[in-house]
Amino acid sequence: SSELTQDPAVSVALGQTVRITCQGDSLRSYYASWYQQKPGQAPVLVIYDKNNRPSGIPDRFSGSSSGNPASLTITGAQAEDEADYYCNSRDSSGNHWVFGGGTKLTVL
Amino acid sequence: EVQLVQSGAEVKKPGESLKISCKSSGYSFTNYWIGWVRQMPGKGLEWMGIIYPGDSDTRYSPSFQGQITISADKSISTAYLQWSSLKASDTAMYYCASTGGYCSITSCPFDSWGQGTLVTVSS
Repeated sequence: SSELTQDPAVSVALGQTVRITCQGDSLRSYYASWYQQKPGQAPVLVIYDKNNRPSGIPDRFSGSSSGNPASLTITGAQAEDEADYYCNSRDSSGNHWVFGGGTKLTVL
Repeated sequence: EVQLVQSGAEVKKPGESLKISCKSSGYSFTNYWIGWVRQMPGKGLEWMGIIYPGDSDTRYSPSFQGQITISADKSISTAYLQWSSLKASDTAMYYCASTGGYCSITSCPFDSWGQGTLVTVSS
């Protein structure tokens, strides 16, 4: 299968911890990458490979890609973390890339 | 600093052709994949296809195969996405994104993104 499946929506109380998951056959072979997209903006990479953060991404963002599903965890969610989050990886063949359907995170 | 700068918004009629661009700077254009991603209004990200400018290896999502053409001009570090006959359903924001230096055998993320090109197709 070339699909990645995410929950459509998740909510978290301000300052609490939230986990966003991504499931798909390709994750048995490839690590998930995670992107944050705020309204009217281009996506931004927040986690890649096993659990790496690009420069400038706060350390409250972490990832777990051991097994399936992969997950993105935000520890101590802030108001500015409210956004859509997408997972992405190569597909099972390795020849294409695929995105999950996205998870809308609401910070209460 | 890596930058991907996309061409401006387009308004087209059904059946017209279109070619949008993505100019790269700040990195070696020929050494990394550069892909195209569609986002229809209010919807999620869809991977359309990708090109490796170094050898022009080009791959398409089965959902977009035959509908689009991806190309690159190494001499000006620019990637292109084109349609020969647009449909109203092609109305969307289109992003280019490069895989950059984080690409490995097990993970190849898009670490730099263009600002997006809004394509509107309407009669």
